[in-house]
Amino acid sequence: DGGITQSPKYLFRKEGQNVTLSCEQNLNHDAMYWYRQDPGQGLRLIYYSQIVNDFQKGDIAEGYSVSREKKESFPLTVTSAQKNPTAFYLCASSIQGADEQYFGPGTRLTVT
Amino acid sequence: DQQVKQNSPSLSVQEGRISILNCDYTNSMFDYFLWYKKYPAEGPTFLISISSIKDKNEDGRFTVFLNKSAKHLSLHIVPSQPGDSAVYFCAASEGSNYKLTFGKGTLLTVNP
Repeated sequence: DGGITQSPKYLFRKEGQNVTLSCEQNLNHDAMYWYRQDPGQGLRLIYYSQIVNDFQKGDIAEGYSVSREKKESFPLTVTSAQKNPTAFYLCASSIQGADEQYFGPGTRLTVT
Repeated sequence: DQQVKQNSPSLSVQEGRISILNCDYTNSMFDYFLWYKKYPAEGPTFLISISSIKDKNEDGRFTVFLNKSAKHLSLHIVPSQPGDSAVYFCAASEGSNYKLTFGKGTLLTVNP
């Protein structure tokens, strides 16, 4: 059963702590993406990776970091430098060269 | 600068009637457009797409129309069903660029 998994569904952290969100896919997709969604807003691109060991900043990369050591995995670290980390985070993947992206179920991060 | 705009935050229609969701864009380099459907606390689901070389694409109850001269696209759902109640996002991409630019979404409510 192919798909994208994100864990956990809900995550709570104290301000000042780094936190890593997991994203795994078994679709054999080359490209992976991280977005955040805030209330009343569209999805904004944080980082994306077209191939293993390579990634690019999206529109709102400040305060975030990623790695792409395996094709299946694209973890996102929300660092203490991110000023407004509380949001709904979505991971997606796509076949290289295709526009359709397939999304995971999301992780809601709350930082207090 | 919002390149993809969904000017109606919400839309309410009766079951069985047509739902029309609108989307405008400003970037003339966009050449591929997608619609996603999203339920609360879930990831978006790809619905339908259209290339800029076409002006219409149909898939079952869903039809997307593209008017390039007006930089406008619309999603028609007919007949509308209560299960269609969700937030609908319009997205666009440019050439071989992997990035999708999303609108802020329109909440569709289909009343029984």
